[in-house]
Amino acid sequence: ELKVEQNPLFLSMQEGKNYTIYCNYSTTSDRLYWYRQDPGKSLESLFVLLSNGAVKQEGRLMASLDTKARLSTLHITAAVHDLSATYYCAVERGGRDDKIIFGKGTRLHILP
Amino acid sequence: GAGVSQSPRYKVTKRGQDVALRCDPISGHVSLYWYRQALGQGPEFLTYFNYEAQQDKSGLPNDRFSAERPEGSISTLTIQRTEQRDSAMYRCASSSSGRGDTQYFGPGTRLTVL
Repeated sequence: ELKVEQNPLFLSMQEGKNYTIYCNYSTTSDRLYWYRQDPGKSLESLFVLLSNGAVKQEGRLMASLDTKARLSTLHITAAVHDLSATYYCAVERGGRDDKIIFGKGTRLHILP
Repeated sequence: GAGVSQSPRYKVTKRGQDVALRCDPISGHVSLYWYRQALGQGPEFLTYFNYEAQQDKSGLPNDRFSAERPEGSISTLTIQRTEQRDSAMYRCASSSSGRGDTQYFGPGTRLTVL
């Protein structure tokens, strides 16, 4: 059974600092997604990572995927208050099974 | 439309009633997904379609839940004989081509079973 674990689950940090959110998963997959969700809102796609070593960057966010370690990271550079949200990683099972499993999310609070 | 739409946005029903939740995906999107999200939790996969074909329904909690997408566009998630534990936000997402493609989420339907 595919399990997806994120850590930390809660993170409070100062503006201007760097930090990394980790996403570990339990079985082979080469499709990993990162989403952002603001309180009371729907989910917004941030990144789609499709191969080992994939790295994508958008503004202050950078995501990477290591399929051998079954690990993805979401790195935040010089955080700003507007990045406060809940961040989810989701993993798509491989083979004929396309079920997508989400992590529990990382609630990020950036202090101005 | 510009994005994924869902209706109704809020649904309050009494235990034992049937409900039907609608999802209208982005025009031309092949794949459509249904999720359930409890408060403070990540989305839980329910089922998904490519065109009109239901590809995976392993996430449906039990046989009271069913979904269809008869013409490969609009989809309906039906919950029969609702129970209080069915209360949650039900979200729909669509993607252009399925696997490995960006999913665009709708606003969700908040279901409350009394």
